[in-house]
Amino acid sequence: DSGVTQTPKHLITATGQRVTLRCSPRSGDLSVYWYQQSLDQGLQFLIHYYNGEERAKGNILERFSAQQFPDLHSELNLSSLELGDSALYFCASSEAPGLAGYNEQFFGPGTRLTVL
Amino acid sequence: AQTVTQSQPEMSVQEAETVTLSCTYDTSESDYYLFWYKQPPSRQMILVIRQEAYKQQNATENRFSVNFQKAAKSFSLKISDSQLGDAAMYFCAYKNRDDKIIFGKGTRLHILP
Repeated sequence: DSGVTQTPKHLITATGQRVTLRCSPRSGDLSVYWYQQSLDQGLQFLIHYYNGEERAKGNILERFSAQQFPDLHSELNLSSLELGDSALYFCASSEAPGLAGYNEQFFGPGTRLTVL
Repeated sequence: AQTVTQSQPEMSVQEAETVTLSCTYDTSESDYYLFWYKQPPSRQMILVIRQEAYKQQNATENRFSVNFQKAAKSFSLKISDSQLGDAAMYFCAYKNRDDKIIFGKGTRLHILP
């Protein structure tokens, strides 16, 4: 158990719908990262938040958005869902961003999203 | 743009033997981290080992060690005394100062009893 929690574990929805994935980081971690793992694209970095502020963006679609709340939990919102959005979505947390401090990222168990 | 390449989609090794997984990367930066992550069938991502680019000494964690060649931009993972529990997908990853993280496509490792 990494200490990172993600809900829900599984989500099945239809095209065009909107879903919200939730992540709670390890106690004390200020950074939250979101990743998408699909069969054809592999593991892709989506976005990173540090202490409530967006710090880095990766290959995140405009239909996707994220935020980190004052209690440091984060939500990833996926809208206008398409079949190709079906994937495993991971959240990870770490103590600090950049190259300072202890950099290990602890991954949550993931949310499996299926778009029908 | 930075890239990470794992040229071996699948590998097999006999139990108790040693295996080396390859990873090359491309970057113009001098400060970065490199990681190897393991993803077993449970799909949980587990950090195996990390290497700071400024450190010349190769990182080692028990049976896992790396061969970091900064000039060649190579970062291979050696697993000694392979065990059945080592069977998994292994991802090489690059992280820079701006927190951009790039993963390779992965190498699926099979352990033969």
